[in-house]
Amino acid sequence: AQSVTQPDIHITVSEGASLELRCNYSYGATPYLFWYVQSPGQGLQLLLKYFSGDTLVQGIKGFEAEFKRSQSSFNLRKPSVHWSDAAEYFCAVGGGTSYGKLTFGQGTILTVHP
Amino acid sequence: DGGITQSPKYLFRKEGQNVTLSCEQNLNHDAMYWYRQDPGQGLRLIYYSQIVNDFQKGDIAEGYSVSREKKESFPLTVTSAQKNPTAFYLCASQGRNTDTQYFGPGTRLTVL
Repeated sequence: AQSVTQPDIHITVSEGASLELRCNYSYGATPYLFWYVQSPGQGLQLLLKYFSGDTLVQGIKGFEAEFKRSQSSFNLRKPSVHWSDAAEYFCAVGGGTSYGKLTFGQGTILTVHP
Repeated sequence: DGGITQSPKYLFRKEGQNVTLSCEQNLNHDAMYWYRQDPGQGLRLIYYSQIVNDFQKGDIAEGYSVSREKKESFPLTVTSAQKNPTAFYLCASQGRNTDTQYFGPGTRLTVL
């Protein structure tokens, strides 16, 4: 069965600091991997995705993520965090073009201090 | 504007009443999904539909029902059999030969 683990429930960083959010997955085949962001009371917005090719993928808002098959990880990074990045972040696995099931991690809440 | 709409944004119901949440999309997407979100649990799949007049149960379908009579619409009914219906409900859709699900703004249901 596919699964996603986000080990950090809550992360606090200072504005301008670097950020890394961790994501580990379990999936039987080549995974489709996604990072979504959610502001309070809102829907989910896609930040970036990976399914093949270059293992370092660039997304919107200056985010990037690196796929490491040997570690079953897909960590999200940003070199310098802005106050507007405060939100909840979800990693997801599965899906793909065959309308397969998408499995989400528990989410990581990001707080940004001025 | 193309997108997914969910209405209402907030919904209150008394215990024991059925309630229907609306989800409409004008993206011409074939597949539609319903998720439930609870704090600290991520999103869990309730039902999904890949084509009109067909749908499948997700991980937590008990106490819920859906219909897919039109490509644009995928309403979710939360029945009185759902033991703990208070949650944030998200609808999503995905187009043919694409790899990404897109989400609506959500409906927060509170059962009193």
